[in-house]
Amino acid sequence: GENVEQHPSTLSVQEGDSAVIKCTYSDSASNYFPWYKQELGKGPQLIIDIRSNVGEKKDQRIAVTLNKTAKHFSLHITETQPEDSAVYFCAASIGLSNTGNQFYFGTGTSLTVIP
Amino acid sequence: DVKVTQSSRYLVKRTGEKVFLECVQDMDHENMFWYRQDPGLGLRLIYFSYDVKMKEKGDIPEGYSVSREKKERFSLILESASTNQTSMYLCASKSGGNEQFFGPGTRLTVL
Repeated sequence: GENVEQHPSTLSVQEGDSAVIKCTYSDSASNYFPWYKQELGKGPQLIIDIRSNVGEKKDQRIAVTLNKTAKHFSLHITETQPEDSAVYFCAASIGLSNTGNQFYFGTGTSLTVIP
Repeated sequence: DVKVTQSSRYLVKRTGEKVFLECVQDMDHENMFWYRQDPGLGLRLIYFSYDVKMKEKGDIPEGYSVSREKKERFSLILESASTNQTSMYLCASKSGGNEQFFGPGTRLTVL
């Protein structure tokens, strides 16, 4: 099955700096890569996703890049703010299946933005 | 907005008890999932269901069962709770598209 590795496990940055979280996957059939943010006491929430036919996607201060050849994808957060502090999860999936395609999650990165 | 609700935020049970965790979604999603979340291990899939009365094992189904009698409700059952099942349990749902919507989680402690 798919194996997703995520690094680093913890990350501290000064407010205003950038944060980068990296994930690798093993199954070349995976074609959908979401990123989730989990705030304390809440369930994970999708913040951005990318499909395998796209190399980069941006949404305001967050961006995701995908290198299919190397099987890795990264989350970039620019101009970090204290409210970005949370646990971030990457995931990989063979998407668009109506039979409930399985998601494989990374182990999470705890991001702390220091004011 | 999609809403996924879980019956309890915190639950304390004793070893050997039968435990029911309930999940309800209000967006008519076909697919529902149960994960457990443990520090350093991320989210691991226990079971999922892609239709009423249908279920598929995930990566760690041992010690768990599920029930999906109605489309909006997906129950996780611990037949005989053990201390190693102390964890955060997360339910999620999705339609035929890709985005999964998560509930707030149930933190289960088995004593």
